[in-house]
Amino acid sequence: GESVGLHLPTLSVQEGDNSIINCAYSNSASDYFIWYKQESGKGPQFIIDIRSNMDKRQGQRVTVLLNKTVKHLSLQIAATQPGDSAVYFCAEIGGGSNYKLTFGKGTLLTVNP
Amino acid sequence: DVKVTQSSRYLVKRTGEKVFLECVQDMDHENMFWYRQDPGLGLRLIYFSYDVKMKEKGDIPEGYSVSREKKERFSLILESASTNQTSMYLCASSLKRDGPTQYFGPGTRLLVL
Repeated sequence: GESVGLHLPTLSVQEGDNSIINCAYSNSASDYFIWYKQESGKGPQFIIDIRSNMDKRQGQRVTVLLNKTVKHLSLQIAATQPGDSAVYFCAEIGGGSNYKLTFGKGTLLTVNP
Repeated sequence: DVKVTQSSRYLVKRTGEKVFLECVQDMDHENMFWYRQDPGLGLRLIYFSYDVKMKEKGDIPEGYSVSREKKERFSLILESASTNQTSMYLCASSLKRDGPTQYFGPGTRLLVL
């Protein structure tokens, strides 16, 4: 079946460095992608989203890149801070569904001081 | 800001008990969702509702039921709790006109003994 996956389960970076978290998807009909951040013991928090008619979108310290050719999504975090330590996961929706998101398993980002 | 609240952060129940998990959102969202989150399995959709008194099965509805009597409230019911229902339960909501992005509550960690 279709799935959303992550290349790396863990990522460790130094404070101040940039972080890149990757996500591969297999459903070519996906037309909307979302990145969530989940801190320990908390619910997922919306970070940024992107539609398939875009290849880049920027937020505050975050950028999402979408490469539809290779079905790849990435989240870039600039000047990573200790408060960025969390699990990040992508979600996608498409194929005519308006409700059902498919979630990746997540990448644990650890920021070292 | 969107606010999704869940009735309990932690809950301990015994096998066979009937369990109610409550979720309330204050943003007049039409869509509401219940997920469970387990290590290594990610987020799995149990049920969702796109309107009052409407419900749709997700990927793992067995052993669960839901109720949506009012727009702001979506309840998840474990008819007869079992140990394999020990999990983190997450509620989410979304606004139809804003697209598929879902906003999550803080989660309820349920332990069934």
